[in-house]
Amino acid sequence: GQNIDQPTEMTATEGAIVQINCTYQTSGFNGLFWYQQHAGEAPTFLSYNVLDGLEEKGRFSSFLSRSKGYSYLLLKELQMKDSASYLCAGLDSNYQLIWGAGTKLIIKP
Amino acid sequence: EPEVTQTPSHQVTQMGQEVILRCVPISNHLYFYWYRQILGQKVEFLVSFYNNEISEKSEIFDDQFSVERPDGSNFTLKIRSTKLEDSAMYFCASRQGQGDTGELFFGEGSRLTVL
Repeated sequence: GQNIDQPTEMTATEGAIVQINCTYQTSGFNGLFWYQQHAGEAPTFLSYNVLDGLEEKGRFSSFLSRSKGYSYLLLKELQMKDSASYLCAGLDSNYQLIWGAGTKLIIKP
Repeated sequence: EPEVTQTPSHQVTQMGQEVILRCVPISNHLYFYWYRQILGQKVEFLVSFYNNEISEKSEIFDDQFSVERPDGSNFTLKIRSTKLEDSAMYFCASRQGQGDTGELFFGEGSRLTVL
């Protein structure tokens, strides 16, 4: 079966760094997405990885290891507005997005 | 910047009524999707649509649901006879296809409340 696993909730301190891990099992693989979702709003795109390695985009970076079925999202210099759910989603061979349940990130001052 | 637009942003309806949720995907996109998210739960795939027909659908997408692209710009989701459990945020998404990155672009969502 297809499955995305990520932690349910994480807490971090403003100004710190946090890493949100995701493991995936999909039928075929066309990439791994990270989305940010604030409560009651649509998911917003953060990153897309299809090749192994680290993609950096400002304060956010995403890493992929296809051999391990593993990705992480790294958030640096955390700000209060980064409090949100972070959704990991794998794109299978049919271009279906298989969604994780999301990791709720709580930022404390 | 082009975007996916959805209407209405919020609809309240009585159980058993028909509801149509509308989406205007990005104009050069070829693949269209509907997802839903029940409050506090994960995003769930409903259906994908390409070349004027359904390409994939989930178990959630039963006979009460239908999709249509009536005029080359709108992409609609119809729920024939709404149930209480249909209350959710419904997200439309599109992607370009054909050599793109695979990124899905989401609309802002339509919140459906069934009473």
